[in-house]
Amino acid sequence: GAVVSQHPSWVICKSGTSVKIECRSLDFQATTMFWYRQFPKQSLMLMATSNEGSKATYEQGVEKDKFLINHASLTLSTLTVTSAHPEDSSFYICSAPHGYGGTDTQYFGPGTRLTVL
Amino acid sequence: AQSVTQPDIHITVSEGASLELRCNYSYGATPYLFWYVQSPGQGLQLLLKYFSGDTLVQGIKGFEAEFKRSQSSFNLRKPSVHWSDAAEYFCAVGPDTGTASKLTFGTGTRLQVTL
Repeated sequence: GAVVSQHPSWVICKSGTSVKIECRSLDFQATTMFWYRQFPKQSLMLMATSNEGSKATYEQGVEKDKFLINHASLTLSTLTVTSAHPEDSSFYICSAPHGYGGTDTQYFGPGTRLTVL
Repeated sequence: AQSVTQPDIHITVSEGASLELRCNYSYGATPYLFWYVQSPGQGLQLLLKYFSGDTLVQGIKGFEAEFKRSQSSFNLRKPSVHWSDAAEYFCAVGPDTGTASKLTFGTGTRLQVTL
């Protein structure tokens, strides 16, 4: 159980276009999901917390108008990279918490590799 | 603020040898501690976690980790490494709220296994 999927797994786009990445919890509901960004050979950096039915919470230094997050249902969060530029090329990973007895574990999606030309 | 340090960027071990990956954390209270593994181009898979109780935690794939409060450490061990264990390993810490919370990751340790 506790499977998180992402779509697409990789995407190549032209500079200036927008790209939407989906994150789904397949066998559980998640009122909160997290979006991370990972540069090559580096650690994961939390970008934002996606909250079902309300606005996302962004980490310091992350442009909310650049990275639009929508958490429209208990199993789906989307990250839209607007007007993408080459510096936005990265590996984007989402996670969702799931657990019992008050202790949650973060389950991660397989990631989406974005390349902006 | 919470932080995680993985002092070893890259480790190479021979197949069949034992392995220990170091992780030190900084947190004001009792942390929730995790080890994740990431294969190239893949997401993160949970190896094991520590919330409370027995300080020696068993995980998947034959891994274990020991929480040592006095040393602020949560080192990952495996008695005999397999070639398929080659990957990136991340230690992470979360607050002990018991609810959905943000994780802080270490910079990772890349494990190479020689045959």
